Amino acid sequence: GESVGLHLPTLSVQEGDNSIINCAYSNSASDYFIWYKQESGKGPQFIIDIRSNMDKRQGQRVTVLLNKTVKHLSLQIAATQPGDSAVYFCAETPLHQFYFGTGTSLTVIP
Amino acid sequence: DSGVTQTPKHLITATGQRVTLRCSPRSGDLSVYWYQQSLDQGLQFLIQYYNGEERAKGNILERFSAQQFPDLHSELNLSSLELGDSALYFCASSRTSGASDTQYFGPGTRLTVL
Repeated sequence: GESVGLHLPTLSVQEGDNSIINCAYSNSASDYFIWYKQESGKGPQFIIDIRSNMDKRQGQRVTVLLNKTVKHLSLQIAATQPGDSAVYFCAETPLHQFYFGTGTSLTVIP
Repeated sequence: DSGVTQTPKHLITATGQRVTLRCSPRSGDLSVYWYQQSLDQGLQFLIQYYNGEERAKGNILERFSAQQFPDLHSELNLSSLELGDSALYFCASSRTSGASDTQYFGPGTRLTVL
């Protein structure tokens, strides 16, 4: 099957610092990418998306960067807050399939 | 609260048994997706229904089946259960069938097969 960032790294940041979470995807046919946040005991929650014709998209405190040359996505969270502690997944949608990575666990230290 | 509901919240059963998981999408959403989340496989797309019809199929085993009813709720049937089927099963819904339509996830059903 497809692989989207199969590693589950952990990231610890101080409250107020910026966080960067990385993801590698594998399918060149993917034209749409999404970042999800999953808090303990809950389902994934949409954060931000980006289409393959863009290389950057900004939301509220979050920015997604897409580098199609190296098949890499990143999620930047500005001024990280304790409520940002969660597992973050990237996902790609080639040919109407949906592939998720195993995620990155973000811990915010107060 | 995403507006997507799933029942039951927890389910414990034995190998070889059959279970049914239920999902009610957000009001107005026509697409329902099913996902399996296990520790070793991460979040895996199983199947999508749109307005009662199968729209896309992912890594769904032959022992598993799903359907979407006229009132748009969906059921995922898991049969001949194995230990490895123990996982969280999520349902998500979206307004349309488009792959780029935002999906809203339910709280999940935790299945334990003993």
